[in-house]
Amino acid sequence: GDSVTQMEGPVTLSEEAFLTINCTYTATGYPSLFWYVQYPGEGLQLLLKATKADDKGSNKGFEATYRKETTSFHLEKGSVQVSDSAVYFCALRMNTGFQKLVFGTGTRLLVSP
Amino acid sequence: SQTIHQWPATLVQPVGSPLSLECTVEGTSNPNLYWYRQAAGRGLQLLFYSVGIGQISSEVPQNLSASRPQDRQFILSSKKLLLSDSGFYLCAWSREVSGTDTQYFGPGTRLTVL
Repeated sequence: GDSVTQMEGPVTLSEEAFLTINCTYTATGYPSLFWYVQYPGEGLQLLLKATKADDKGSNKGFEATYRKETTSFHLEKGSVQVSDSAVYFCALRMNTGFQKLVFGTGTRLLVSP
Repeated sequence: SQTIHQWPATLVQPVGSPLSLECTVEGTSNPNLYWYRQAAGRGLQLLFYSVGIGQISSEVPQNLSASRPQDRQFILSSKKLLLSDSGFYLCAWSREVSGTDTQYFGPGTRLTVL
């Protein structure tokens, strides 16, 4: 079945460091890809998305590019802030009919001053 | 603008007690509604979804049930809670069920079963 694999956390960085959180997927077709963020004690917020190959999603300094050849959607940010500390979820959803969001297990990011 | 509400925010219940979690959406009509559970150290799992009043689809067989008595209201219930029901329950809505549409999540309910 369809699945999403994320790197194990926690990822611990100092403020202004470069961030990469790896995400790869397995799907029978060409899904839409999402990154959601969950701040402590809160629900999930959509961070960015890409609906087809080579699309780049971006928001709040975060970017991710839909790479069909490597089935990846890695999240990057050039300079993290303490306020970016959260859990980040990669997810996919097929584009035909009803298809549920399939989430990865989440990667916790801890940014220290 | 659209908003999604969940309550209660936190809940501690004994094993064997009933459960009712409520989710409401404002600012839109005919939303698609979803219940997810996030167990400790694990990703999110879709439990139920609904495309209209009284229409419920179950993704995972368990002792939970869902109902949609009104267009923008989605309720998650249990007659008898198990320890394994502990987790963070998230409600979400979307305009369409197609893959490109975004799901928007509520603030969640943290349930602890003792």
